[in-house]
Amino acid sequence: KNEVEQSPQNLTAQEGEFITINCSYSVGISALHWLQQHPGGGIVSLFMLSSGKKKHGRLIATINIQEKHSSLHITASHPRDSAVYICAVEGGATNKLIFGTGTLLAVQP
Amino acid sequence: SAVISQKPSRDICQRGTSLTIQCQVDSQVTMMFWYRQQPGQSLTLIATANQGSEATYESGFVIDKFPISRPNLTFSTLTVSNMSPEDSSIYLCSASDPGVFRNTEAFFGQGTRLTVV
Repeated sequence: KNEVEQSPQNLTAQEGEFITINCSYSVGISALHWLQQHPGGGIVSLFMLSSGKKKHGRLIATINIQEKHSSLHITASHPRDSAVYICAVEGGATNKLIFGTGTLLAVQP
Repeated sequence: SAVISQKPSRDICQRGTSLTIQCQVDSQVTMMFWYRQQPGQSLTLIATANQGSEATYESGFVIDKFPISRPNLTFSTLTVSNMSPEDSSIYLCSASDPGVFRNTEAFFGQGTRLTVV
């Protein structure tokens, strides 16, 4: 079993829909990251969470430390949101990240 | 925040040859990492690039295959040596600095898409 599990693996949505991507982890962590990877391969950091909730534009990320679960929400989705969204957790003092397998999101106009 | 310039962005190489990938950060950072992402897979850490000393490799990765340099706090290189088609992947560098950025926020290069033929 992977230490970081994401669901769904693939998601197709219509423009304007509210989208939720889930991440569960089985290890103790100091922080959780949500990342966005575009087809060229480059990765952009969206959020880093250690508790509670963060919001940036149409993106919202929440984390429940007790349940070892995080969600990434996209409101009013747009085709430009189409990308792979990756959950990664960080534990210990080494700043190493453990990555989920990613969620491939396609938003259709 | 930090900006990481990674190059080349992509390359097609002959088996048996070597490719060196460079990452330049626009500020000094304590930690730099190199990852591999095989087709359809998640990212796997190859090694932590240590400034002024030998890199720390993860299980399954060795210095002879993936030599890494880190001559200063803003630059690192990864070489993929004696390549085979199984080395075809996206290679990414990452940087973080708990003392500078927000906690341990990670920044990534644009990735190098390597195809070995």
